[in-house]
Amino acid sequence: QQQVKQSPQSLIVQKGGISIINCAYENTAFDYFPWYQQFPGKGPALLIAIRPDVSEKKEGRFTISFNKSAKQFSLHIMDSQPGDSATYFCAASTMGTSGSRLTFGEGTQLTVNP
Amino acid sequence: DTGVSQDPRHKITKRGQNVTFRCDPISEHNRLYWYRQTLGQGPEFLTYFQNEAQLEKSRLLSDRFSAERPKGSFSTLEIQRTEQGDSAMYLCASSSPGYTFGSGTRLTVV
Repeated sequence: QQQVKQSPQSLIVQKGGISIINCAYENTAFDYFPWYQQFPGKGPALLIAIRPDVSEKKEGRFTISFNKSAKQFSLHIMDSQPGDSATYFCAASTMGTSGSRLTFGEGTQLTVNP
Repeated sequence: DTGVSQDPRHKITKRGQNVTFRCDPISEHNRLYWYRQTLGQGPEFLTYFQNEAQLEKSRLLSDRFSAERPKGSFSTLEIQRTEQGDSAMYLCASSSPGYTFGSGTRLTVV
């Protein structure tokens, strides 16, 4: 059962543009929603995370928007740079139980053209 | 380097052989996780340790898989009688509670 669905599968953006990646979840018990960035040959690295008590969180060029009623959240990358080219994964977990195991989306391969 | 260390980085093995991977977590992290990632997919949870206790195992972890974390420090993941379907990246992460992933061990079963 796929509990976190991510789209699009791939995304091409011009330098300076906005990259938007969307995720939807099913399990209403999820209470922690991180985004990870992964480069080839490396493990995922935490980019930014949000809890459902806020609707938006911004860190530098990265913003998470969260819609609890729709069970959706998205990552916005402003002023996208070629160095942002990587695979991005959304994830969800229940921090209070199950040792905070993460359920990941399928990933979005982002390419930022110079 | 104070991150999560995994060894080996790459492993090629023949079908039917046993393999063992090692993970050294960040020293002050008491939680340790194993995930499996196949090409083009997100990581999938395999198992989780709180100190030396293995508290949860995914249905993905068949009886050919075994994980240990003696003394609550490093962890090993062993796959017995490997199959081609076991080919994947095996990721270790530690948390307290924020996650830090290692770079993974890429297993290829030929």
